Amino acid sequence: KQEVTQIPAALSVPEGENLVLNCSFTDSAIYNLQWFRQDPGKGLTSLLLIQSSQREQTSGRLNASLDKSSGRSTLYIAASQPGDSATYLCADTGTYKYIFGTGTRLKVLA
Amino acid sequence: EAGVAQSPRYKIIEKRQSVAFWCNPISGHATLYWYQQILGQGPKLLIQFQNNGVVDDSQLPKDRFSAERLKGVDSTLKIQPAKLEDSAVYLCASSLDQGSPYEQYFGPGTRLTVT
Repeated sequence: KQEVTQIPAALSVPEGENLVLNCSFTDSAIYNLQWFRQDPGKGLTSLLLIQSSQREQTSGRLNASLDKSSGRSTLYIAASQPGDSATYLCADTGTYKYIFGTGTRLKVLA
Repeated sequence: EAGVAQSPRYKIIEKRQSVAFWCNPISGHATLYWYQQILGQGPKLLIQFQNNGVVDDSQLPKDRFSAERLKGVDSTLKIQPAKLEDSAVYLCASSLDQGSPYEQYFGPGTRLTVT
C-alpha cells in the first residue's frame, strides 16, 4: 500500500531564499508524481506533473524531480517570494487513485 | 473553460444535524471524485464515480455519508448525522476519464465546521 510523506510539516524562510520541499513514497512503482499548491480555504492548484518515465519538470521558478529508486521527489523553488506562501502537497497519481502526502506549509517572510 | 464548481463554500452546523454539498464537474468529464481533507492532512478519497456508477467507495463511512451522481453530471455528498470529527474541507474533483493519464482537476472545496 502506497504511503506518501512530506517533511517538514512547516517551513519559514526569508524572501529571496532558494528552498527545497521533500516528498517520500514507500512504493517505487509510482505512476506519476504531481505537486499541488493549496492556499488557505482554497482548492488545489496543479503545479507540476512528472510522468514515471521522466526525471524532472520545470515551470518558471519551480523545478520538480523524481527519483523512483530512492522513493523521493523534490520541489525546488528559486528566489522565494511572499506570494509563494501556501501549503504544498505531492501526490502519487496511481493507476486510478491519487494518494496524497500530508503537505508542507510554507511561509515566506518579507 | 469553466472549472469544477462547488457550493456552498462554507457551512457551520451542530453535531447530529445533516448537511449536503453540491459539485458540478468540468463539462464532459466522466469521472468525479469526492475527497475529505482534515486540517493538517492530505486529501483522502471518499468516493469515485464513473459517469453515474460508483467505482470506489471503500473509504466512505456509509453509516452516515451518502453520495449520488444522477445523470452522470452533478453530484451531491450528504452527511447525516454529522459528528465533530467530520469537520474538514470537502473537495470535489473531475477528470476526463478514470485512471492515468487522465489528470484530476479540483474545485475550491467546501469547508465544514461541526460544533
